[in-house]
Amino acid sequence: AQSVTQLDSHVSVSEGTPVLLRCNYSSSYSPSLFWYVQHPNKGLQLLLKYTSAATLVKGINGFEAEFKKSETSFHLTKPSAHMSDAAEYFCVVSDRDTGNQFYFGTGTSLTVIP
Amino acid sequence: ETGVTQSPTHLIKTRGQQVTLRCSSQSGHNTVSWYQQALGQGPQFIFQYYREEENGRGNFPPRFSGLQFPNYSSELNVNALELDDSALYLCASQAGRDRVFYGYTFGSGTRLTVV
Repeated sequence: AQSVTQLDSHVSVSEGTPVLLRCNYSSSYSPSLFWYVQHPNKGLQLLLKYTSAATLVKGINGFEAEFKKSETSFHLTKPSAHMSDAAEYFCVVSDRDTGNQFYFGTGTSLTVIP
Repeated sequence: ETGVTQSPTHLIKTRGQQVTLRCSSQSGHNTVSWYQQALGQGPQFIFQYYREEENGRGNFPPRFSGLQFPNYSSELNVNALELDDSALYLCASQAGRDRVFYGYTFGSGTRLTVV
């Protein structure tokens, strides 16, 4: 069965410091992995995706994530947090066994302190 | 800004009523999926339509149904509303069926409250 665990429901960082949002997944096959961001009253925006190419994936707004098969992890990082990064972040897994659906984690709320 | 438009943005219904939510995808996006996001939770897959036919369904009862039209618009219908149906409903579209390579574009959602 496919599942996603976001290890932190809330993360708080100071502006200008690094961001780390943790995600572990469970998948029977080679997964596709995504990170989406949701700002208040906005739709979900794709940050980046891993689809079996390079294990280090660069996304928009300076975010990147590394696929580690041995650890079944896909953690999201950013070297320096900006106030505009404050939002809800979702890790998503999909593979050929899930058909056409995405499995979302429960989300991590990122707070950026000025 | 997103090319997927959902209406209405907010809706209040009474338990037992029926509701129709609408989604307008951008041109060329022939695949549309609907997700339910309960408060404090991640979105859950309801179903997907590809070229006007259902192409996958999540663990939702038959009172959740959908339609997709040739003009890239779609509807989510929910009958016999229950209090637990209160949630944000998200529409997501893509060009083609392969979510891996194309990714989804999400709308801003419809917030449904059932009282």
